Amino acid sequence: DSGVTQTPKHLITATGQRVTLRCSPRSGDLSVYWYQQSLDQGLQFLIQYYNGEERAKGNILERFSAQQFPDLHSELNLSSLELGDSALYFCASSTGTLPPEKLFFGSGTQLSVL
Amino acid sequence: GDSVTQMEGPVTLSEEAFLTINCTYTATGYPSLFWYVQYPGEGLQLLLKATKADDKGSNKGFEATYRKETTSFHLEKGSVQVSDSAVYFCALGMNYGGSQGNLIFGKGTKLSVKP
Repeated sequence: DSGVTQTPKHLITATGQRVTLRCSPRSGDLSVYWYQQSLDQGLQFLIQYYNGEERAKGNILERFSAQQFPDLHSELNLSSLELGDSALYFCASSTGTLPPEKLFFGSGTQLSVL
Repeated sequence: GDSVTQMEGPVTLSEEAFLTINCTYTATGYPSLFWYVQYPGEGLQLLLKATKADDKGSNKGFEATYRKETTSFHLEKGSVQVSDSAVYFCALGMNYGGSQGNLIFGKGTKLSVKP
């Protein structure tokens, strides 16, 4: 058990809809990362937060947004969903030190857009 | 930009065979290098890491050496077991620039070990 909790584990929705994925980081970790895993693209970095502030941004679409709350949990919002957004979305956490040390990954949220 | 390239899979080996999974990287500075492993239905777990040139990371019989001259971090194990069947990801981490603090992953190599 990594200590990182992601909910829900599975999400099935329709095109055009909006969903929210939730992540609770490991106790004491200040940094949260979001990754998208798909068969063709592999593991793509989306965005990172550190203590409530955005620290780094990757290949995140404008239809997607995220935030980290004062209690350090994070939410990833995906809107105007398309079939191609179907993927496994991982959250990871770390202490946030630089250079980056060990990331702890949650079990992921499997999103299916029908 | 910074990137990681690892060998395409899947790789299928018999138990007790020698394993090598190649990984090369492109980075403007001197990154930290990692190997992560993903077992079926689970998130990624850190397998080993190296933070500077010539460092060797090792864990559970797996080894990888940080080679600056060849920009490589190949994963090796002398004798694989069925329980090693998983997807292996090479990654780099930068401490500056737009990528600071996050890890950039390769596409993953699926390993299947047959008894």
